[in-house]
Amino acid sequence: QQQVKQSPQSLIVQKGGISIINCAYENTAFDYFPWYQQFPGKGPALLIAIRPDVSEKKEGRFTISFNKSAKQFSLHIMDSQPGDSATYFCAASRTGYSGAGSYQLTFGKGTKLSVIP
Amino acid sequence: GAVVSQHPSRVICKSGTSVKIECRSLDFQATTMFWYRQFPKKSLMLMATSNEGSKATYEQGVEKDKFLINHASLTLSTLTVTSAHPEDSSFYICSARRPGLGDSNQPQHFGDGTRLSIL
Repeated sequence: QQQVKQSPQSLIVQKGGISIINCAYENTAFDYFPWYQQFPGKGPALLIAIRPDVSEKKEGRFTISFNKSAKQFSLHIMDSQPGDSATYFCAASRTGYSGAGSYQLTFGKGTKLSVIP
Repeated sequence: GAVVSQHPSRVICKSGTSVKIECRSLDFQATTMFWYRQFPKKSLMLMATSNEGSKATYEQGVEKDKFLINHASLTLSTLTVTSAHPEDSSFYICSARRPGLGDSNQPQHFGDGTRLSIL
């Protein structure tokens, strides 16, 4: 079964610190790796996404680092704020083909981030 | 930006009732929508892929007759939980993907979910 393994399960970071969440995947056919942020009682919201042809992507305080050979990618949240406290999910999918399973997201188990003042 | 609306946000009903949940893409046409189920403090579990004008594709272990999916238009997919029982209580979330030229980069946009509680 296709899997995406995410760690840690929970994370407590001081305000202003760096939050780092890691994911590893198995299926080398995956070619799209998004990160989603979910607040309680809400649906996931897309934060940032990356493709394997780049090793890093930055958008504001959020950075994805991607290591294709290790089949790993990570989310870095710089200058973490209490408002960043949420559950973060990494995901992976295979895109650009018309077969069954195309564009389906395989999610990690999530990381609950708590940013304390 | 893309917006996906899900309705209702919360349902509380008696065992044996059928419940319909709607998922609408508000500013784009979605040929593909996805339905997920999420248990407390758990990840999203894909239930089915809904394709406009054709039958939904269900994931292994998901009962087709229990969870009826209809995708009658490019902006609306519905999930009906038939004869719901307490074990069907969960958070149901839909997502929609915007197709288009060079569409491999189009992400899934999620609704805000429906909290279903069966008494």
